[in-house]
Amino acid sequence: RKEVEQDPGPFNVPEGATVAFNCTYSNSASQSFFWYRQDCRKEPKLLMSVYSSGNEDGRFTAQLNRASQYISLLIRDSKLSDSATYLCVVNTGGNQFYFGTGTSLTVIP
Amino acid sequence: DAEITQSPRHKITETGRQVTLACHQTWNHNNMFWYRQDLGHGLRLIHYSYGVQDTNKGEVSDGYSVSRSNTEDLPLTLESAASSQTSVYFCASSPGTSGSLEQFFGPGTRLTVL
Repeated sequence: RKEVEQDPGPFNVPEGATVAFNCTYSNSASQSFFWYRQDCRKEPKLLMSVYSSGNEDGRFTAQLNRASQYISLLIRDSKLSDSATYLCVVNTGGNQFYFGTGTSLTVIP
Repeated sequence: DAEITQSPRHKITETGRQVTLACHQTWNHNNMFWYRQDLGHGLRLIHYSYGVQDTNKGEVSDGYSVSRSNTEDLPLTLESAASSQTSVYFCASSPGTSGSLEQFFGPGTRLTVL
């Protein structure tokens, strides 16, 4: 079983829509959680960390559900510039990071 | 500005050849990582280092080696390149001591093994 699983999509949404991605993880002892964004043929970049209490950064909201072992990312009022692949990342302690395969989002004019 | 660079950006080599991919960071980060990214897989950890003279195997380390002789560089060597090692390779670094787990990635090296 993979450490981190994501729906690969693609998600095709119109501008202004709200879209949500989920990611599940298998190790209940996982400690830290992140969402990274990766544009086509570019390097991943940190979008936001995910805290137990949930956190919001502008149009982006991340939540963690430890009981069900999933994290989510909600994007409100989607922009064309949000088109990218979103990677779920889980840290199981120390510097052991596990990346999901990514969820592809295309925002359509 | 501080940065992390990789070279070469593209490389084509033949099966059996030794290949070294360079990674250089100017943030003075303690931790450095090498990942490979393939379709159908997330980024997978090859090797990582917590500091000078420290190296550790990751999830997919077979056929790869690294060395850390200074803080700035973590070269990745493919001892005898195989077609299965055709991939995009990303180097990353993180502070390690400040509590932040954010990783900063280089632009990637696209390696093709024929």
